[in-house]
Amino acid sequence: AQTVTQSQPEMSVQEAETVTLSCTYDTSESDYYLFWYKQPPSRQMILVIRQEAYKQQNATENRFSVNFQKAAKSFSLKISDSQLGDAAMYFCACVLSGAGSYQLTFGKGTKLSVIP
Amino acid sequence: GAGVSQSPRYKVAKRGQDVALRCDPISGHVSLFWYQQALGQGPEFLTYFQNEAQLDKSGLPSDRFFAERPEGSVSTLKIQRTQQEDSAVYLCASSFYQGANGYEQYFGPGTRLTVT
Repeated sequence: AQTVTQSQPEMSVQEAETVTLSCTYDTSESDYYLFWYKQPPSRQMILVIRQEAYKQQNATENRFSVNFQKAAKSFSLKISDSQLGDAAMYFCACVLSGAGSYQLTFGKGTKLSVIP
Repeated sequence: GAGVSQSPRYKVAKRGQDVALRCDPISGHVSLFWYQQALGQGPEFLTYFQNEAQLDKSGLPSDRFFAERPEGSVSTLKIQRTQQEDSAVYLCASSFYQGANGYEQYFGPGTRLTVT
């Protein structure tokens, strides 16, 4: 079974600055996907960014990028030019792409505050 | 098109009552997942359906929890004889099929269950 660990329960960032959220994971499988999900106070979980484990190139989506270190099993999220709307809970998650139920395994989350 | 919807959004039950939580996935989505999110925690997997077949129920915490998806679309999560430890947000997610779109799951807003 895979595990996902987020060691930062809370983080804060000044508006327009850059922040990095940490995530480590553990799995014995070689084929998997990693995700960062955002959950605003309204609770609807929204996908921020996705990384395929077989790809060496780090994923980027506009102001969001990841630093994927497969050997270290590390998957951090960098948010550039932080905006007030970025304030939310951020969850790191993993899914195995082999046979199975394709369930997401989540970390405990990091609460991000954006200071105006 | 419409996203994943869940009803009710909030449910208060007295200990010992039975509750039923409904999920309407995105039309055409084959895969449907239920997760339980305790306060301040990440979501945890409960069960998975592919069409009407329940392929994985390994996350259901006890035999008081039961889920069904009889026609392969709408799903109901039923909790019998509710206990205080059942208080949580119950999230439903769907995806087109296993592996589709990089295993992305689309989440509903959740049902917050409070057992008094």
